[in-house]
Amino acid sequence: GNSVTQMEGPVTLSEEAFLTINCTYTATGYPSLFWYVQYPGEGLQLLLKATKADDKGSNKGFEATYRKETTSFHLEKGSVQVSDSAVYFCAPDRDDKIIFGKGTRLHILP
Amino acid sequence: DTGVSQNPRHKITKRGQNVTFRCDPISEHNRLYWYRQTLGQGPEFLTYFQNEAQLEKSRLLSDRFSAERPKGSFSTLEIQRTEQGDSAMYLCASSLAKEQFFGPGTRLTVL
Repeated sequence: GNSVTQMEGPVTLSEEAFLTINCTYTATGYPSLFWYVQYPGEGLQLLLKATKADDKGSNKGFEATYRKETTSFHLEKGSVQVSDSAVYFCAPDRDDKIIFGKGTRLHILP
Repeated sequence: DTGVSQNPRHKITKRGQNVTFRCDPISEHNRLYWYRQTLGQGPEFLTYFQNEAQLEKSRLLSDRFSAERPKGSFSTLEIQRTEQGDSAMYLCASSLAKEQFFGPGTRLTVL
């Protein structure tokens, strides 16, 4: 079945640094891919998505490209802000369900 | 507010008691999901409905857990004879297409 591997956290960066959070997935077929974000004390929010190979999802300065050949969906942002501190989940779908990994906690220092 | 709502937000109960949580999805969404999230982990799928039909239930879900969506709108999740290991955040999500929209969750603490 589908599963996901994300880089271990916590990841600590200074404000305005470049961010990459690696994500690889295993899947049968062609899943849709999602990044969800969980800010402190808040519920899960959809950050971005991609539904087919080579699609690029983007939102709030974050981007991720669906790479079928490497089964990856790495999250990137050119210049992070303190307000980006949160837990980020890479998640493929499978049979109408979304499969979540453990998430990557991101700390941005001012 | 037209998002997913969950009640109560917090529940503290004693071991052995029954608890029931409610989820109100976004009104036009036909699918409703329940997840459980423990500290430091991602959400774990429990069950989901399409309209009023329960289409799948996780093998990890014990017989003490039951969920209903009687009219295809709101859903309830009941846990009978709670155990300390049931302490977690219970999340509800709804969807019309691929992406799911999550509620704020109900935090359950079993003493």
